[in-house]
Amino acid sequence: NAGVTQTPKFRVLKTGQSMTLLCAQDMNHEYMYWYRQDPGMGLRLIHYSVGEGTTAKGEVPDGYNVSRLKKQNFLLGLESAAPSQTSVYFCASSTDSSGANVLTFGAGSRLTVL
Amino acid sequence: GQNIDQPTEMTATEGAIVQINCTYQTSGFNGLFWYQQHAGEAPTFLSYNVLDGLEEKGRFSSFLSRSKGYSYLLLKELQMKDSASYLCAVMDSNYQLIWGAGTKLIIKP
Repeated sequence: NAGVTQTPKFRVLKTGQSMTLLCAQDMNHEYMYWYRQDPGMGLRLIHYSVGEGTTAKGEVPDGYNVSRLKKQNFLLGLESAAPSQTSVYFCASSTDSSGANVLTFGAGSRLTVL
Repeated sequence: GQNIDQPTEMTATEGAIVQINCTYQTSGFNGLFWYQQHAGEAPTFLSYNVLDGLEEKGRFSSFLSRSKGYSYLLLKELQMKDSASYLCAVMDSNYQLIWGAGTKLIIKP
């Protein structure tokens, strides 16, 4: 059982380039999330999805887009990368958002924008 | 605004006990979570508290006082593998998770 898988694990981009991070989960979870983690700060929610075909903005959505065409996949896109988007990105999934909503995280994707 | 406070770094000795505190100010409360994150790895779930009191799970215990906006994670019989960051997160009234910056725990032999 793989859980949550993120690709790629590492990526270096130049300012203005675009890229897509892929997240796949095999637990049949309804909810999926994209977070970024920066030194000295808590995890910040970028976008999330409450089910196939749905997406919603989180705390820091600017500069990112997402899609959830299939229940098991959640894609995070950067259309025009900026140095401020240098971060570690984590995808997570859960059964729902209420109560004891335990998140299962992917291993993370480290992105550097030069 | 919403805020989660926890110490940035703590040091403890192998075999000892350490308490990591977390204080919070959020819009409503629907539970508090503790996650463990080893360097370069994903956070993994440790505990969940929604009612006041102590929840014990092996060497780890988590305490909650909703009236004080306060929680702690207690780690007993520390092992070198417990060296990690410990993240406190609170679910607010909109069921959104608010995360603390994490406490880096260093275990010395």
